[in-house]
Amino acid sequence: KQEVTQIPAALSVPEGENLVLNCSFTDSAIYNLQWFRQDPGKGLTSLLLIQSSQREQTSGRLNASLDKSSGRSTLYIAASQPGDSATYLCAVLFSGGYNKLIFGAGTRLAVHP
Amino acid sequence: GAGVSQSPRYKVAKRGQDVALRCDPISGHVSLFWYQQALGQGPEFLTYFQNEAQLDKSGLPSDRFFAERPEGSVSTLKIQRTQQEDSAVYLCASSSTGNGYEQYFGPGTRLTVT
Repeated sequence: KQEVTQIPAALSVPEGENLVLNCSFTDSAIYNLQWFRQDPGKGLTSLLLIQSSQREQTSGRLNASLDKSSGRSTLYIAASQPGDSATYLCAVLFSGGYNKLIFGAGTRLAVHP
Repeated sequence: GAGVSQSPRYKVAKRGQDVALRCDPISGHVSLFWYQQALGQGPEFLTYFQNEAQLDKSGLPSDRFFAERPEGSVSTLKIQRTQQEDSAVYLCASSSTGNGYEQYFGPGTRLTVT
């Protein structure tokens, strides 16, 4: 069964810390992997998309890496700010399916001043 | 030229009522997806359309759930005889190719069944 797992489930840090959020997936045959942000009561905002042929993507203070062979992706957030507080979701598009994303349960991040 | 829109944003239904949730994808996007998100969980796939064709409905939890996209743009998710376990946020997403590149999500419809 194709599954996506995110660790930790929740994280609380002081402002300014560098953070690492982890995502693991059970099948290395993937098409792409997306990281999303979700604010309470809101929809999903796409942060980074990594194609299977890529190793990493960067956007501002965010960097996501992909290691297909080990079934892992990491989202790195530099110099965290209170505005980064949200739930971060990892989603994988596995090869061979009809394009549906398989999501992890998310990491709830709280950055306090 | 806006993003994916969904209506209504909030819906309260009494158990046994039928509901219809609407999704307007980004103009020109061929692929449209519906997901269900329970409280504290990640979204789970319900169904997928490529234009007007429903290519995958493997995630629909029961035959009370029905989705359509008759003209290949707007989609409606209908839930008949709602039950309390149907309470969730229903998310719609669209993408620009049939191979499912980056998916863009709407704000969701929060359904509460009382």
